[in-house]
Amino acid sequence: VMTQTPLSLSVTPGQPASISCKSSQSLLHSNGNTYLHWYLQKPGQSPQVLIYEVSRRSSGVPDRFSGSGSGTDFTLKISRVEAEDVGVYYCMEGTHLRTFGQGTKVEIK
Amino acid sequence: EVQLMESGGDLVQPGGSLRLSCVASEFIFSNYWMTWVRQAPGKGLEWVAIINPDGSEKSYADSVKGRFTISRDNSKNSLYLQIDSLRAEDMAIYYCARDDGWGYKVYWGQGTPVTVSS
Repeated sequence: VMTQTPLSLSVTPGQPASISCKSSQSLLHSNGNTYLHWYLQKPGQSPQVLIYEVSRRSSGVPDRFSGSGSGTDFTLKISRVEAEDVGVYYCMEGTHLRTFGQGTKVEIK
Repeated sequence: EVQLMESGGDLVQPGGSLRLSCVASEFIFSNYWMTWVRQAPGKGLEWVAIINPDGSEKSYADSVKGRFTISRDNSKNSLYLQIDSLRAEDMAIYYCARDDGWGYKVYWGQGTPVTVSS
């Protein structure tokens, strides 16, 4: 089970934001890698990947997005939220059975 | 540019069946794991099923095991999802996505809607 907190977030543009994702079991694979990814689904769009394997930014993702964590606890941080960052953010584990978190809705104040 | 295009979504009665398709283009389809993800109205994302490049390995979410079948035809660059014994809780937008490794999905289709209603 993947548990995200908070479930919603209202952020002033230019301010930072942080989303937590906790797994009920370790996401460290026996091969030494940790398969925790972050996706953003903007309104009316298909999901898009932001971060893969905990902290690697996917191609084209702005550097204001960063990921961290290990084992069972992970965090997505947005250093300075912009209007285009609104949507629902999901963590997803790929180590076991590709389970998504419940999602965190980010809105702009 | 990589493209994934789903089709086959429809209005179906409870207990009915449906086959969803996803046609891939601009990449070597037979080299990649492919997956289906769904999203019920107003709800979050739910991983449904995954298949390996040659179709010999498949995995399913517990919620669909025994009712859904994922398959592929590499000669047609196509991914399929056979949905049987449809339930109200299967109503969702179904997305196909290319799995670039351990759940890392860069490319997604636009989704096809499945409505379950009598």
